[in-house]
Amino acid sequence: AQSVTQPDIHITVSEGASLELRCNYSYGATPYLFWYVQSPGQGLQLLLKYFSGDTLVQGIKGFEAEFKRSQSSFNLRKPSVHWSDAAEYFCAVGSGGSNYKLTFGKGTLLTVNP
Amino acid sequence: GAVVSQHPSRVICKSGTSVKIECRSLDFQATTMFWYRQFPKQSLMLMATSNEGSKATYEQGVEKDKFLINHASLTLSTLTVTSAHPEDSSFYICSARVAGAGELFFGEGSRLTVL
Repeated sequence: AQSVTQPDIHITVSEGASLELRCNYSYGATPYLFWYVQSPGQGLQLLLKYFSGDTLVQGIKGFEAEFKRSQSSFNLRKPSVHWSDAAEYFCAVGSGGSNYKLTFGKGTLLTVNP
Repeated sequence: GAVVSQHPSRVICKSGTSVKIECRSLDFQATTMFWYRQFPKQSLMLMATSNEGSKATYEQGVEKDKFLINHASLTLSTLTVTSAHPEDSSFYICSARVAGAGELFFGEGSRLTVL
């Protein structure tokens, strides 16, 4: 069974600073990987996804993520954080096949200081 | 595109009553819809997967008689919480998948409070 680990429960950065949110996954085959963002009381918005090909993927809002198979990681990065980026971030892995589903990590809460 | 609408966004009900939450894909046909439950400051827990025209597949530990899921069309799935109790109070989120696509598109969520 697949699993996702987000080691950091809460991260605080200053506005304008760079950001990296960590994600490690466990899955036997080539994974489908995702990052979603959730604002309080809201649903989830897809930031970016990786299925195959170029291991560095670009997403919305200036985010990018890099798939590293050797490390089973899919870390999310942003070079300069904006106050509006404060939210909960979830990494997810999708299993293939007829019983497709997403398994989420526990999330990382991002706080942005002015 | 790929908009999923969930209704109602908030609902308060008395213990023992039933509540229905709707999930609609507005601009695409969703062959599969998923229902998640999220506790405060926690991740999303998959409750069940529903395919249009067939019975939902429930995750282990989820009571299928309490959480009734119907996926009658390619654009609508409903979750009915039957005989609700205070411990059913939670944030319920639906998501939808286009056939063959990997990503899920999420609704805005529904906050259920059972008094």
